[in-house]
Amino acid sequence: DAGITQSPRYKITETGRQVTLMCHQTWSHSYMFWYRQDLGHGLRLIYYSAAADITDKGEVPDGYVVSRSKTENFPLTLESATRSQTSVYFCASTNSGNTIYFGEGSWLTVV
Amino acid sequence: QQQVKQSPQSLIVQKGGISIINCAYENTAFDYFPWYQQFPGKGPALLIAIRPDVSEKKEGRFTISFNKSAKQFSLHIMDSQPGDSATYFCAANKGYSTLTFGKGTMLLVSP
Repeated sequence: DAGITQSPRYKITETGRQVTLMCHQTWSHSYMFWYRQDLGHGLRLIYYSAAADITDKGEVPDGYVVSRSKTENFPLTLESATRSQTSVYFCASTNSGNTIYFGEGSWLTVV
Repeated sequence: QQQVKQSPQSLIVQKGGISIINCAYENTAFDYFPWYQQFPGKGPALLIAIRPDVSEKKEGRFTISFNKSAKQFSLHIMDSQPGDSATYFCAANKGYSTLTFGKGTMLLVSP
């Protein structure tokens, strides 16, 4: 029972580089989400997707790109990483829109 | 504009005591109010949730109290244990809209 998995779990990258965080879920959930967690800000929604090929912006989408070609995958790309994007990133999914299931997080450091 | 305000930011409770975390919301259309629990290094997980047609919901040592007129809801942890030490997030949404999270409360239960 894999559930929802994120990779890589830990990543250090340099300013200006492109980084892709992967998210895979085995439940065939319709909805998938990307959140970032920062001290003092809690969980902030970056992007979400209601189904394959349907994505929408959340609260803090600038500097991020997402795609959803398959229901089970929802990668998050930082096209040109900045230090302000140093954060913990959580992928999540749900079918009901209520109970959201989170992955274990990807710790990203931009130096 | 933050739609869900959570307090306190951090809380220290002695083992056996009662932990109380409060949240206030602004959008009267919200109809689902969950609490998520997050242990260090892990993703948040649903702990307990309530809908506005009831004023209280209890699951074991965890109780949500809901005050619709005041637009407030709170989490009570009875007989708090060191294993309850975690970050707690309140959240709210309406229907299938995305959840809006509070900023989180770091709870430490001292032995």
